[in-house]
Amino acid sequence: EDQVTQSPEALRLQEGESSSLNCSYTVSGLRGLFWYRQDPGKGPEFLFTLYSAGEEKEKERLKATLTKKESFLHITAPKPEDSATYLCAVSTTTGANNLFFGTGTRLTVIP
Amino acid sequence: ETGVTQSPTHLIKTRGQQVTLRCSSQSGHNTVSWYQQALGQGPQFIFQYYREEENGRGNFPPRFSGLQFPNYSSELNVNALELDDSALYLCASSLAGGKAFFGQGTRLTVV
Repeated sequence: EDQVTQSPEALRLQEGESSSLNCSYTVSGLRGLFWYRQDPGKGPEFLFTLYSAGEEKEKERLKATLTKKESFLHITAPKPEDSATYLCAVSTTTGANNLFFGTGTRLTVIP
Repeated sequence: ETGVTQSPTHLIKTRGQQVTLRCSSQSGHNTVSWYQQALGQGPQFIFQYYREEENGRGNFPPRFSGLQFPNYSSELNVNALELDDSALYLCASSLAGGKAFFGQGTRLTVV
């Protein structure tokens, strides 16, 4: 059965304190791995798509990496406006190109 | 701003009633997916429509149904509402096989 597990569930960081969020996955065949940011009461906002092990993508203070078993979202020198829930999702080669989500990591950055 | 709009933004219904939620997809996108997100959880796939045909379905009962129109906008219908149907309902549009862009969601409360 396809599974996506995110850790930690919640993370509190001081402004400027870098850290990483983890997304481990078990799927029959990976089509792509996606990272989204979600603010309270809003829809998820697309951040990155990764397709193959070794791939990396960057956007401002965020960097996403992918291995055959997991993905990391690295946050460098975070700011309070980076506070949000970060969702990881996979699409599989056997599915209808839908997304299978983890439960997210709730990030709080304290000034 | 994703170009995906959902209506209404909030809705309160009574158990047993029926509800219709609407989604206008991003210009040029021919695929619409619907997700249910309970509080504190990741979005769960309900179903997907591609060029007006259902293209995949998650583990939801038949009282969850949908439509996609020639302009690729979509509706989600839920019959015989239950208290557990209270959630944020998200619509995502994409080109087939491409990354999904989400609307802001409809918050449904069943009392």
